[in-house]
Amino acid sequence: SQQGEEDPQALSIQEGENATMNCSYKTSINNLQWYRQNSGRGLVHLILIRSNEREKHSGRLRVTLDTSKKSSSLLITASRAADTASYFCATDAENFNKFYFGSGTKLNVKP
Amino acid sequence: DGGITQSPKYLFRKEGQNVTLSCEQNLNHDAMYWYRQDPGQGLRLIYYSQIVNDFQKGDIAEGYSVSREKKESFPLTVTSAQKNPTAFYLCASRGTGGHNEQFFGPGTRLTVL
Repeated sequence: SQQGEEDPQALSIQEGENATMNCSYKTSINNLQWYRQNSGRGLVHLILIRSNEREKHSGRLRVTLDTSKKSSSLLITASRAADTASYFCATDAENFNKFYFGSGTKLNVKP
Repeated sequence: DGGITQSPKYLFRKEGQNVTLSCEQNLNHDAMYWYRQDPGQGLRLIYYSQIVNDFQKGDIAEGYSVSREKKESFPLTVTSAQKNPTAFYLCASRGTGGHNEQFFGPGTRLTVL
């Protein structure tokens, strides 16, 4: 299976701290994407990083990709209580048409 | 407003019944997807469609069926053959062209009574 695996499964931090979550995958990819899901809701796309990129920023989000290690990390800086959610990485199959999601990291930001 | 909608939000089914979950998008996307999510788990792909009148099985297609008669619509039927259908079902759409993200609907929570 190409399914990604996030680490840690759960993370609890105080507001203002940084949160780092990791994703590992198994086979070659074209891109890797991070999504956020609030409890009982649909997923919201956060950021996409292509296989030829090593780092990407979007607001308080920083994503890195290491294709040699088949891993990615998502850093949320200066976290807020509103960042409390589950975060998933998704990798595409080589034809772009299928996506594989990990089991997610559940982030709790305490006010 | 552009977006992707799912209905109903909650659905209850008796054992042995087929039920159909609706998914509609007005984003003009060619590709559409159905995922299943169990508590505390990630998403598993049920079916996907890249173009009208064509669809492919995902990783857990047994007990499910789909149709894609219109670009905007991709309904999912959960049949009585699906032994454990209680789950959260998510529909997504995506524009073609390679490095594009998926847009998700709000989900349908199906409970078998």
